[in-house]
Amino acid sequence: EIVMTQSPATLSVSPGERATLSCRASQSVSSNLAWYQQKPGQAPRLLIYGASTRATGIPARFSGSGSGTEFTLTISSLQSEDFAVYYCQQYNNWPLTFGPGTKVDIK
Amino acid sequence: QVQLQESGPGLVKPSQTLSLTCTVSGGSISSGGYYWSWIRQHPGKGLEWIGYIYYSGSTYYNPSLKSRVTISVDTSKNQFSLKLSSVTAADTAVYYCAREPLDIVATYFDYWGQGTLVTVSS
Repeated sequence: EIVMTQSPATLSVSPGERATLSCRASQSVSSNLAWYQQKPGQAPRLLIYGASTRATGIPARFSGSGSGTEFTLTISSLQSEDFAVYYCQQYNNWPLTFGPGTKVDIK
Repeated sequence: QVQLQESGPGLVKPSQTLSLTCTVSGGSISSGGYYWSWIRQHPGKGLEWIGYIYYSGSTYYNPSLKSRVTISVDTSKNQFSLKLSSVTAADTAVYYCAREPLDIVATYFDYWGQGTLVTVSS
């Protein structure tokens, strides 16, 4: 099983600032990596797939990069609605696995 | 717009079987092109993929749960279901159903149900 790790566990950011979230895989997942946003009481929402392709309707301030074992989700200018928990997920190998999440909260 | 909705008991006794159904609207399960998955989230924790089913009935389960999981599909009702046997308190979680676009291998989850909390307690 591929183990996903995310850092930091919590990221405190002021509105309008840039947020950079990291995700690491225990072995290469190529570009088979997705990012999700989850707000309290809601289901996760797909943001990015293929490591860097934005899902339908996702604002351009969200961008993904990386391949192999190191990935980054960048939110260029945080809006109030972006404060949430972000998860990465690999789909290169079964079973599909998720990272433990990074909580982005207001500084 | 595809929508998924989970339904089933919110309380299950230890050692019994948890049963949930996901009803899909806005698209047909039998049209193919997607895996239909179950995912769970323990309270305050991360996400765990349980398994998927294809409209043909083929399945794949997470090895960590494989001995206790059965996922089935009813294309006439546009539904798929989860059964998890011999539950314990460790199975208390929010259970989500989700759609996964089909590719050569696995993919990501583009549509999710709202989730349903299942508590295992006597």
